[in-house]
Amino acid sequence: DAGITQSPRHKVTETGTPVTLRCHQTENHRYMYWYRQDPGHGLRLIHYSYGVKDTDKGEVSDGYSVSRSKTEDFLLTLESATSSQTSVYFCAISEGEDYEQYFGPGTRLTVT
Amino acid sequence: EDQVTQSPEALRLQEGESSSLNCSYTVSGLRGLFWYRQDPGKGPEFLFTLYSAGEEKEKERLKATLTKKESFLHITAPKPEDSATYLCAVLGGMDSSYKLIFGSGTRLLVRP
Repeated sequence: DAGITQSPRHKVTETGTPVTLRCHQTENHRYMYWYRQDPGHGLRLIHYSYGVKDTDKGEVSDGYSVSRSKTEDFLLTLESATSSQTSVYFCAISEGEDYEQYFGPGTRLTVT
Repeated sequence: EDQVTQSPEALRLQEGESSSLNCSYTVSGLRGLFWYRQDPGKGPEFLFTLYSAGEEKEKERLKATLTKKESFLHITAPKPEDSATYLCAVLGGMDSSYKLIFGSGTRLLVRP
């Protein structure tokens, strides 16, 4: 298995509170991604990073921000959580933009 | 707009009953097509990458093929442990900027 961990694995939070999810890799891959997975929508890209401090938006980036200060860590922040952000969040890594992505175990987030 | 459609949504097979899953795509310049397997409560697990029409990849009971418009995942003599959701994703060129577009998946159930 690719060395990817996500924390926390489960979280329940209230509407309006900030939330930060962490993705940590031990593979030294340059690219890291955050997705959300919802019934009926499949996996959708939120943000991605192509290097330390280099990030860009994905398909559903509104309400989310990211940061990458080290190769191994990619943080996803919900500035003010809303119920529509209840989802399962997956981190992924890849060696390059045309290479396969390897996924972490996921974080189940519930916003009440 | 890049798009991926998988069919059927769900498939039930008897153990040993071979079948195929379909992934149809429209993309401006295919850079890669990826197959993943996802078990309940887990992150997607990478299976195959296909880069050009006519290419084929095999792994145990699975074989992936690619044409200019679609990809098939053939499952030969499946076993109950092959039960999972199979996801297809495409990486397009032009302005897709490293963004994988996922289909909604095919839920496969193999009965003993």
